[in-house]
Amino acid sequence: SYEVTQPPSVSVSPGQTASITCSGDKLGYKFTSWYQQGPGQSPVLVIYQDSKRPSGIPERFSGSNSGSTATLTISGTQAMDEADYYCQAWDSSTTSYVFGTGTKVTVL
Amino acid sequence: EVRLLESGGGLVQPGGSLRLSCAASGFTFSSSAMTWVRQAPGKGLEWVSSLTNSGVDTYYADSVKGRFAISRDYSKNTLYLQMNSLRAEDTAVYYCAKSGGLAVEAGGYFDYWGQGSLVTVSS
Repeated sequence: SYEVTQPPSVSVSPGQTASITCSGDKLGYKFTSWYQQGPGQSPVLVIYQDSKRPSGIPERFSGSNSGSTATLTISGTQAMDEADYYCQAWDSSTTSYVFGTGTKVTVL
Repeated sequence: EVRLLESGGGLVQPGGSLRLSCAASGFTFSSSAMTWVRQAPGKGLEWVSSLTNSGVDTYYADSVKGRFAISRDYSKNTLYLQMNSLRAEDTAVYYCAKSGGLAVEAGGYFDYWGQGSLVTVSS
């Protein structure tokens, strides 16, 4: 089965840039989406189809995808951005969606 | 406003059955694929099953294939997940999610999520 991996944790200072990676075989050939999940809350879509931002999501969230790595970037990180982040893609070989292992972002 | 409200969770013994429901409102139910995603306690998100907007095509994770069945009722704007032969490892919060398009395919994403329904499988 297709696997996508993320670093377990990322730490960032307020106002700085956080980069969260998602790695998988030829992931750059697949569309990747990203979800933010606060403690005890449901996931929220923050980026879809690699780099599109849903309405209501701040411009400081951006995404890219190339080669074997997709990246979610949070520019000017704020305390409210502290949460778990998951990437998601479609595996055509098994016709199944797959989520990344998740990254906990801590704003120090 | 899009709303997804799950119900039907609870405590069930191993080998038992449970049916989850997800009442949808605020969008054209027949124009969106729908999905179930679960999250075991303290763990990450796991895709469970998806259903196209027409209800014709269904997709399942290997971990639930043959035990779970996804369906939808257009007259009630409701998504279902019938769960049979439940195991301890099925214990999780189950989220209903609306897809951003008609189909279940590459580029698919989940733009709205419910609040989740807890399923506990234990004797």
